[in-house]
Amino acid sequence: DAGVTQSPTHLIKTRGQQVTLRCSPKSGHDTVSWYQQALGQGPQFIFQYYEEEERQRGNFPDRFSGHQFPNYSSELNVNALLLGDSALYLCASSGLAGVSDTQYFGPGTRLTVL
Amino acid sequence: DAKTTQPNSMESNEEEPVHLPCNHSTISGTDYIHWYRQLPSQGPEYVIHGLTSNVNNRMASLAIAEDRKSSTLILHRATLRDAAVYYCILRDRPYGGATNKLIFGTGTLLAVQP
Repeated sequence: DAGVTQSPTHLIKTRGQQVTLRCSPKSGHDTVSWYQQALGQGPQFIFQYYEEEERQRGNFPDRFSGHQFPNYSSELNVNALLLGDSALYLCASSGLAGVSDTQYFGPGTRLTVL
Repeated sequence: DAKTTQPNSMESNEEEPVHLPCNHSTISGTDYIHWYRQLPSQGPEYVIHGLTSNVNNRMASLAIAEDRKSSTLILHRATLRDAAVYYCILRDRPYGGATNKLIFGTGTLLAVQP
């Protein structure tokens, strides 16, 4: 049973460009959350997708957008990249099982903005 | 959102027990206490969670204070593979709906000496 997978593993972009990161959830999971982790910090919640809709959003600008497909996979898009967007982007999947459901994280995509 | 406070770092010797503390004085009655850990170059992984009673699983034990304002993650015999950042998290559950957003702090960096 494959866990959460993310692609690509590493990415280098320049300021002003756009980037798309991809995530496939763990088998049987229907909810995908995205997190940004800056160096030396804990992950920060970006948004969560369920039933192809954004259910909740963290304190991130509209430059960050996402999508969830019918097969529950998800994309994170970032427009007009800034140097400060350099970070590890983590995808986590879970089932909508109530307050104590566990999130399973992928290995992340390391984005470097030059 | 309720906050948690953890020491920045701790050290342990291999084969000895480790007690990782977490303070959460503003915890609400419906907040579960989750622990995740992040090994180097990996995404976070679930360790354990609890509400009021102490909990045990194959990875660790969770001791929760009677007033729920603090908790302690216990690794019974630390190994070198337990060296990681440990995050104590209160699961956010907005009124009127369920969500499994995780709010990470900076966690405790655990070093294990051979």
